[in-house]
Amino acid sequence: DAKTTQPPSMDCAEGRAANLPCNHSTISGNEYVYWYRQIHSQGPQYIIHGLKNNETNEMASLIITEDRKSSTLILPHATLRDTAVYYCIVRVGGYGGSQGNLIFGKGTKLSVKP
Amino acid sequence: NAGVTQTPKFQVLKTGQSMTLQCAQDMNHEYMSWYRQDPGMGLRLIHYSVGAGITDQGEVPNGYNVSRSTTEDFPLRLLSAAPSQTSVYFCASRYRALNEQFFGPGTRLTVL
Repeated sequence: DAKTTQPPSMDCAEGRAANLPCNHSTISGNEYVYWYRQIHSQGPQYIIHGLKNNETNEMASLIITEDRKSSTLILPHATLRDTAVYYCIVRVGGYGGSQGNLIFGKGTKLSVKP
Repeated sequence: NAGVTQTPKFQVLKTGQSMTLQCAQDMNHEYMSWYRQDPGMGLRLIHYSVGAGITDQGEVPNGYNVSRSTTEDFPLRLLSAAPSQTSVYFCASRYRALNEQFFGPGTRLTVL
C-alpha cells in the first residue's frame, strides 16, 4: 500500500486559505487519494477524494500533481471550526474484500488562529 | 437516519474481563470496519466486514473477535481485556468499497 507523508502541524490565520500538502510518491495508478479530518476526539469526517484530476466540493479543493506523487488540500477560507487533524490517505487498491480500507497515518494538526 | 451509532460511550474494565462494543448503522451499508486510536496516533484497522456473514482481519486483530449476522450490526468482542487495549474505538461503514466512510462517535475504553 502506498504510504503518505504529511507535516505534523500547520497554522493558518482565520479567513485565509489553508494549504495542506501530502506526499505519496509510491502511489499506484489505480489508487485514489482521500482526505479525512478529525475534530478534537470525534470520529473522522470525509472531506474529498480524487484520482488524477483536481476536485472541488463545498468543503475543499484537492490539487493532485500530474505525476500523482503529491497533492494539496485547500480550505479556501479557514474558520476556527476547521481546527482539526487532517489525514491524507491512499485508498487500498486492487480487488477483494480489503479494497477501499483506509490506512491512516498521523496526519497534520491544523490550527486556525483568529 | 441515525448514521453510525456506538455503545457504550465510555467503559472501564479490569484485566481479564470480556465485553462487547456495539456498532449499528441504518444506512444499508455493506462494508463495516472497526478501528482503534491510541493517543497521538492515527486510526488502525482491527477487523472489517464486506457483508453479512463475511469478516476479515485488519492491521491489529489480535485479542478481538467480530461477527456480522445482520447488515446493520457489527459488534467487536474483547475476549480477555489487557491494559494494551486501552484506546478509543471507532466503528465505520460505507456503501461500496470505494465510497466515503461514515464514522461513529467512538467508545473510550480503559483497561486497568
